[in-house]
Amino acid sequence: GQQVMQIPQYQHVQEGEDFTTYCNSSTTLSNIQWYKQRPGGHPVFLIQLVKSGEVKKQKRLTFQFGEAKKNSSLHITATQTTDVGTYFCAGERWGSARQLTFGSGTQLTVLP
Amino acid sequence: EAQVTQNPRYLITVTGKKLTVTCSQNMNHEYMSWYRQDPGLGLRQIYYSMNVEVTDKGDVPEGYKVSRKEKRNFPLILESPSPNQTSLYFCASSLDLAGGDTQYFGPGTRLTVL
Repeated sequence: GQQVMQIPQYQHVQEGEDFTTYCNSSTTLSNIQWYKQRPGGHPVFLIQLVKSGEVKKQKRLTFQFGEAKKNSSLHITATQTTDVGTYFCAGERWGSARQLTFGSGTQLTVLP
Repeated sequence: EAQVTQNPRYLITVTGKKLTVTCSQNMNHEYMSWYRQDPGLGLRQIYYSMNVEVTDKGDVPEGYKVSRKEKRNFPLILESPSPNQTSLYFCASSLDLAGGDTQYFGPGTRLTVL
């Protein structure tokens, strides 16, 4: 079946440093989504990328979708303590009709 | 207020005792889905539904059943729970998953099967 690998599993940064998490799918994706989950909370949808090579920005967050539509990244510039949480990618496999496979997540800790 | 509700939020049960976790959304969403979350494994999709009477298996459907008789409700049924189904369960809904629409998650149900 489809696998979505996400690295790193954990990341500790000093406040103000940048952070990047990467996702790689074993199959071509029709789209990829990114979510943030705060400790003890539920996942919150951040964004969806659909087009090959697409780049989207939300304030300090930059999302990229690879040309082959098999990988993606989330980059946070100048992290803040409010960025703490686990970031998940989730890919919809091409032709799978809405079946979503999540990566295992990257847990971000921001040290003040 | 747009929301996805789940009940119960916490449940401790014993092996083999049938249970149902309810999920309801008030946004008239067509797409609904169930996930389980386990440490180190992220979220794994159990079942999803694209509309009333339309359901399909996700990555880990074994031991679970769902139904979609009404647009707003998508209950998760464990006919004979086992300890390996101890997990945190999330229900989610979206207008249309592929349209860039936000997928809203419920608050979660923490299930323990003894």
